[in-house]
Amino acid sequence: GIQVEQSPPDLILQEGANSTLRCNFSDSVNNLQWFHQNPWGQLINLFYIPSGTKQNGRLSATTVATERYSLLYISSSQTTDSGVYFCAVAPRSNDYKLSFGAGTTVTVRA
Amino acid sequence: GAVVSQHPSRVICKSGTSVKIECRSLDFQATTMFWYRQFPKQSLMLMATSNEGSKATYEQGVEKDKFLINHASLTLSTLTVTSAHPEDSSFYICSARDPRGLRTDTQYFGPGTRLTVL
Repeated sequence: GIQVEQSPPDLILQEGANSTLRCNFSDSVNNLQWFHQNPWGQLINLFYIPSGTKQNGRLSATTVATERYSLLYISSSQTTDSGVYFCAVAPRSNDYKLSFGAGTTVTVRA
Repeated sequence: GAVVSQHPSRVICKSGTSVKIECRSLDFQATTMFWYRQFPKQSLMLMATSNEGSKATYEQGVEKDKFLINHASLTLSTLTVTSAHPEDSSFYICSARDPRGLRTDTQYFGPGTRLTVL
């Protein structure tokens, strides 16, 4: 199956700092999503971004499909940004079967 | 829009009993739902794909007789952990796809069910 690697595994930020999370994947994809899992376990959809660039408030994401990676940018981080960020992809052969990366645990300190 | 609920949020049971977890799409009809399992500090692993009106498709290594899935309507899928044992303790998360939504490829996730088997 498709392999998904996320880096870094852990990230500690001071409030107000900016950061970049990376997701590499091993094959062509038709579906790529970024999620934030809060401390209670709820997964929040951040972006559906199989290619291109999107922005939503302080968050933005870029996927370069030809080079098989995606980046999630967090600007002016806040303590509420803490949690685990997952990248999930699905191959062209099955758009709905998501494979998740191991996640990046982000801790934002006040 | 695109809200998915799960019930119960937390369950503790004795070894050998069966536990049923419900997953509902509240404001859309989901022809396809997915069940994931997440161990502490680990990623989500897809267990099975549930299609309304047909048998579920299980991932390799997932026992279909252990984890019974029923998708009887367009808004409800259930996962029953039969004869649960301590190693089945985990966080179970469902997701649903809205085939008529703006983004048909997007999955929306429920809040999860934490199962503890004593």
